[in-house]
Amino acid sequence: DVKVTQSSRYLVKRTGEKVFLECVQDMDHENMFWYRQDPGLGLRLIYFSYDVKMKEKGDIPEGYSVSREKKERFSLILESASTNQTSMYLCASTLGGVPYEQYFGPGTRLTVT
Amino acid sequence: ELKVEQNPLFLSMQEGKNYTIYCNYSTTSDRLYWYRQDPGKSLESLFVLLSNGAVKQEGRLMASLDTKARLSTLHITAAVHDLSATYFCAVDRSGSARQLTFGSGTQLTVLP
Repeated sequence: DVKVTQSSRYLVKRTGEKVFLECVQDMDHENMFWYRQDPGLGLRLIYFSYDVKMKEKGDIPEGYSVSREKKERFSLILESASTNQTSMYLCASTLGGVPYEQYFGPGTRLTVT
Repeated sequence: ELKVEQNPLFLSMQEGKNYTIYCNYSTTSDRLYWYRQDPGKSLESLFVLLSNGAVKQEGRLMASLDTKARLSTLHITAAVHDLSATYFCAVDRSGSARQLTFGSGTQLTVLP
């Protein structure tokens, strides 16, 4: 079974802090993704990566950056956390070929105060 | 820009009844995915539909894909309480990493 793990289930940070969210997958997947999920808005793609050291902006990259130094690990960084970044963050991964089904981690609920 | 619309967004139904959730999308795609999310949990893959006319069934849920109409349906037969969850459809955008665009989700509550 594919396993995607995230470093924290719940996180509380203060405005202006630098925040690191980490995601690890154990199935040698090429592609990894970071989403945020907010009520009524579904999942919105923040960043994705299709290879080590490669990254691409998704639909809402502002205020975020990412790092992928190893194939199994994809980190989301909030350079200076703000209250509007309070959300559920979900990491996902997928193989490089069909069917491109994404496997999700358990999520990190981040609260910025 | 690919848009994915689900309806209804909220659905309350009685146990034993049938209902259908609809997923419409705005640009051509041959691949569509259905996910389930329980409260406080992550997304779990339900169905992967890879071509026009594809139909998949698991228990009381059946999903189908009509790529010409850009429409997928998730049909619930004889609902039970355990099916209460939020259901998302997602459409393959194409591109090197095969990004998905998600619908807003349908929150299903099955009442006794």
